[in-house]
Amino acid sequence: NAGVMQNPRHLVRRRGQEARLRCSPMKGHSHVYWYRQLPEEGLKFMVYLQKENIIDESGMPKERFSAEFPKEGPSILRIQQVVRGDSAAYFCASSPYGDINSNYGYTFGSGTRLTVV
Amino acid sequence: DAKTTQPPSMDCAEGRAANLPCNHSTISGNEYVYWYRQIHSQGPQYIIHGLKNNETNEMASLIITEDRKSSTLILPHATLRDTAVYYCIVRSSNTGKLIFGQGTTLQVKP
Repeated sequence: NAGVMQNPRHLVRRRGQEARLRCSPMKGHSHVYWYRQLPEEGLKFMVYLQKENIIDESGMPKERFSAEFPKEGPSILRIQQVVRGDSAAYFCASSPYGDINSNYGYTFGSGTRLTVV
Repeated sequence: DAKTTQPPSMDCAEGRAANLPCNHSTISGNEYVYWYRQIHSQGPQYIIHGLKNNETNEMASLIITEDRKSSTLILPHATLRDTAVYYCIVRSSNTGKLIFGQGTTLQVKP
């Protein structure tokens, strides 16, 4: 049973380009969370999605960032017109029950390290 | 959301027990205490969680005080591979999300 798969592991983009980060949750998990970790900082929640729905995007920057979790395929975190300040590690986590069941934790992927040059 | 307070760093000798404290004095009755760790920028790894009772699994033990205002994560025989940042998280009963603080950097020394 594969864990949460994120790709690519490393992504380099020039300023102004688009970055697409993919996350395949664990089998049977229909809830996905994205977190961002800036260099030397803690993990910050960005967005929580269930299949085809955004449940909570309170941590998403208002511009340039978007996320989706289609009926088929992985969840995508898209960053348009990247800037140097977007350089960070982006982690995806999944859960089978979502946040209504606090007695079940998240499983995290290994992350995508985005570098903007 | 209930906040947690952890010491920023701790040392532990290899082979000894590592006891990591966490204060969560504003925790609500239905909020769980979770522990995760992050080894050198890898993805956070789940360790253990509990509500009221002490919990034990193959990785660690979690001791929660009777008033639930604090807890201790115990790694019974620390190894060098346990060097990591350990996060104590009170899972919000409002939003249900896992909100990470700054954690405790545990350095296991030979």
